[in-house]
Amino acid sequence: DTEVTQTPKHLVMGMTNKKSLKCEQHMGHRAMYWYKQKAKKPPELMFVYSYEKLSINESVPSRFSPECPNSSLLNLHLHALQPEDSALYLCASSQSGTGSEKLFFGSGTQLSVL
Amino acid sequence: GNSVTQMEGPVTLSEEAFLTINCTYTATGYPSLFWYVQYPGEGLQLLLKATKADDKGSNKGFEATYRKETTSFHLEKGSVQVSDSAVYFCALRVTSYGKLTFGQGTILTVHP
Repeated sequence: DTEVTQTPKHLVMGMTNKKSLKCEQHMGHRAMYWYKQKAKKPPELMFVYSYEKLSINESVPSRFSPECPNSSLLNLHLHALQPEDSALYLCASSQSGTGSEKLFFGSGTQLSVL
Repeated sequence: GNSVTQMEGPVTLSEEAFLTINCTYTATGYPSLFWYVQYPGEGLQLLLKATKADDKGSNKGFEATYRKETTSFHLEKGSVQVSDSAVYFCALRVTSYGKLTFGQGTILTVHP
């Protein structure tokens, strides 16, 4: 199994809603990532977890809250989002986080905030 | 800081044409270099990578050579196919657990 699975594939939410994005991998990877991608732009790093601990937070607003319950799962909790947060949210994983490693990306969750 | 500059697209080619997408970088430290491809509606997939100077990464007919003297990692393919139509991202990473820094992406469209 060489897949990173993200659910849901599409999400529409209002600015007062609370929702969660989920990401799962069964490759035994110990580094997991959240990226945000606006249309026609490159992905922007949000968070990095290594060995289930948050190692990088790229100054992301607190309305985005990551969680890593175990080595296979990564969640992104959303609360009080703004319309400008509408984007494709990509999860990725890699074996241990070293610089030369390949990242495996999921297909993303397309989020629309109304 | 670290940055990646890609040639601006979109690039439109006929099937079997030769492809070059230029990529240059600046980095503090000694980066690993990558090309990722994103097909419509999908996440990114690693196309190829190189981890040290003069390394050549290759996959599916695509090639790129890590040129330290010109700080470049240009992507080439001798004969493109319609199925190669996608967005191509050049990227670098310097440290463990560090940020993967992407270029702006180049949209490639191949016509039959």
